[in-house]
Amino acid sequence: DTAVSQTPKYLVTQMGNDKSIKCEQNLGHDTMYWYKQDSKKFLKIMFSYNNKELIINETVPNRFSPKSPDKAHLNLHINSLELGDSAVYFCASSQDASTEAFFGQGTRLTVV
Amino acid sequence: GEDVEQSLFLSVREGDSSVINCTYTDSSSTYLYWYKQEPGAGLQLLTYIFSNMDMKQDQRLTVLLNKKDKHLSLRIADTQTGDSAIYFCAESRGTGGFKTIFGAGTRLFVKA
Repeated sequence: DTAVSQTPKYLVTQMGNDKSIKCEQNLGHDTMYWYKQDSKKFLKIMFSYNNKELIINETVPNRFSPKSPDKAHLNLHINSLELGDSAVYFCASSQDASTEAFFGQGTRLTVV
Repeated sequence: GEDVEQSLFLSVREGDSSVINCTYTDSSSTYLYWYKQEPGAGLQLLTYIFSNMDMKQDQRLTVLLNKKDKHLSLRIADTQTGDSAIYFCAESRGTGGFKTIFGAGTRLFVKA
């Protein structure tokens, strides 16, 4: 049983396109996150959702929008993709904001 | 990563001990974590320590926390080739704790 699952695992798309990455957790956690990992493996938080309420938006461009249809899902939608958006995007969840996070396997996004 | 710093590389021989160091800046951090990332995979929690503890041992792993100096270390005893990975230090911040800040990761290379 996969605790945090993301789809797709790989995504190659052209500049200007709109794409979504899906994330689901079956741990019953209250908080979910999206992280971006760049080519240097630097990991930076993008969004945090708690009970379907956005808690943090780390100066991420508004082309990125998280959507949470329910507590178990937090999808990432990206409009007008740019070359600089190429990275690995990780979804994560935690029981609450101060406990350890469980990560998905990542989605490698390549914008060409 | 500006607030959580780690050295980028560490190389050790199989069977030796590895020590990965991390410094952080926020004295209100409640939890400090060590995550492991293997190639092409998500982050897995290795261990964590509460900010009111000095040391935690878990099998081959020993975490030392110097709260005064805001210094965290991870010691891996009897390092094996399977320990080769990127190790991320992370801190969970203060009030609300909705933000977990990661370091840039230390790449551990284990030579046979």
